[in-house]
Amino acid sequence: DIQMTQSPSSLAASVGDRVTITCQASQDINKCLNWYQQKPGKAPQLLIHDASILRTGVPSRFSGSGSGTDLTLTITSLQPEDVATYYCLQYEELPLTFGGGTKVEIE
Amino acid sequence: EVQLLESGGGLGQPGGSLRLSCTASGFTFSSYAMSWVRQAPGKGLEWISALSGSGSTALYADSVRGRFTISRDNSKNTLYLDMNSLSAGDTAVYYCAIYPSTERPDFDYWGQGTLVTVSS
Repeated sequence: DIQMTQSPSSLAASVGDRVTITCQASQDINKCLNWYQQKPGKAPQLLIHDASILRTGVPSRFSGSGSGTDLTLTITSLQPEDVATYYCLQYEELPLTFGGGTKVEIE
Repeated sequence: EVQLLESGGGLGQPGGSLRLSCTASGFTFSSYAMSWVRQAPGKGLEWISALSGSGSTALYADSVRGRFTISRDNSKNTLYLDMNSLSAGDTAVYYCAIYPSTERPDFDYWGQGTLVTVSS
């Protein structure tokens, strides 16, 4: 199975800060990676697919980058509505595997 | 508007069974593979099963293989998950979701989830 190591597990930042979340895959996943945002009590919502393509309607402050085994989600200017837990998902190989999640809070 | 609506959750007995359903609308259900993903209370997401659009290919995570069965009725736009030999470790919110598609990677939708609690 491909292991997805996501870091940090939590972070607190100020409004307007740049936030970076990383997922490291145990093997090359060929950009077969989605990033999701999950707010409390809600289902996950897709932000980015294919590692770097922003889903239509998602604010441009979200971006994805990386390839191979090291993938990154960046929020360029953190907003109060971005408080949530973020997950990566690899779909290069079965079983699909998620990162452990990053809880983002406002300082 | 794409909608996925899960039902069937509730209290299950250890060793018992439950059937979850996911009713889809707003898209051509039979054209898409579907998944079940679960989330234990306060924990992360775990993919557990997927089924091709035709229903011919079923996939399972090791944690549920041999106990859970995924199926679908395309005439009813409904996905199912039959859960047997339940244990406390199966307690979670269960989501149905469209399986990641290489043809339409942005076509990604999840239901609101249904809570399964396994307890005596």
